[in-house]
Amino acid sequence: SQQGEEDPQALSIQEGENATMNCSYKTSINNLQWYRQNSGRGLVHLILIRSNEREKHSGRLRVTLDTSKKSSSLLITASRAADTASYFCATDTWGEGAQKLVFGQGTRLTINP
Amino acid sequence: NAGVTQTPKFQVLKTGQSMTLQCAQDMNHEYMSWYRQDPGMGLRLIHYSVGAGITDQGEVPNGYNVSRSTTEDFPLRLLSAAPSQTSVYFCASSYSTDMNTEAFFGQGTRLTVV
Repeated sequence: SQQGEEDPQALSIQEGENATMNCSYKTSINNLQWYRQNSGRGLVHLILIRSNEREKHSGRLRVTLDTSKKSSSLLITASRAADTASYFCATDTWGEGAQKLVFGQGTRLTINP
Repeated sequence: NAGVTQTPKFQVLKTGQSMTLQCAQDMNHEYMSWYRQDPGMGLRLIHYSVGAGITDQGEVPNGYNVSRSTTEDFPLRLLSAAPSQTSVYFCASSYSTDMNTEAFFGQGTRLTVV
């Protein structure tokens, strides 16, 4: 079963605007990761936030994590047409010495020029 | 550095046929895994391996077999293909000794079972 639920399922904004995607999960986690998938391609890692971190930045990306609410958000600032893609959150529970990534259903982001 | 390489990129099978999806990585990662992605959904874990000779089941293992004879390769076998196995399959690898590590994904194999 899916651990994470992402909201919204689809988002369409104008270039230059900010995009915010949310992810909720159900169980305790070791870390939470965000990935991007361009149409027909594999997933590319964007950012990882550990369970003891509350906020992390990487370029135009800002991720927050609230373990008490079991939720995370990904903010992309000053969006560009090249940001058009699907974005997935994945929780890592690290069980039995193995990485166990459980993915949400994704948010499909469209940046309109 | 090629990263994670999957072959083939596309495949059409008839119901009941068997085939092997290949996955190779050149990053000396101990941990490798297979996922399937169905339309409008995230990825679901099929099988994973924490090192050569060690494999385990994920969330949706039925109908699939894996083995890990080397660190580099982690093939996924479909024993008797069914239309429900029509999906896009992704292989991933990561450092298993690091509890906080990203996964590296291949470009995927799009499989259609008719």
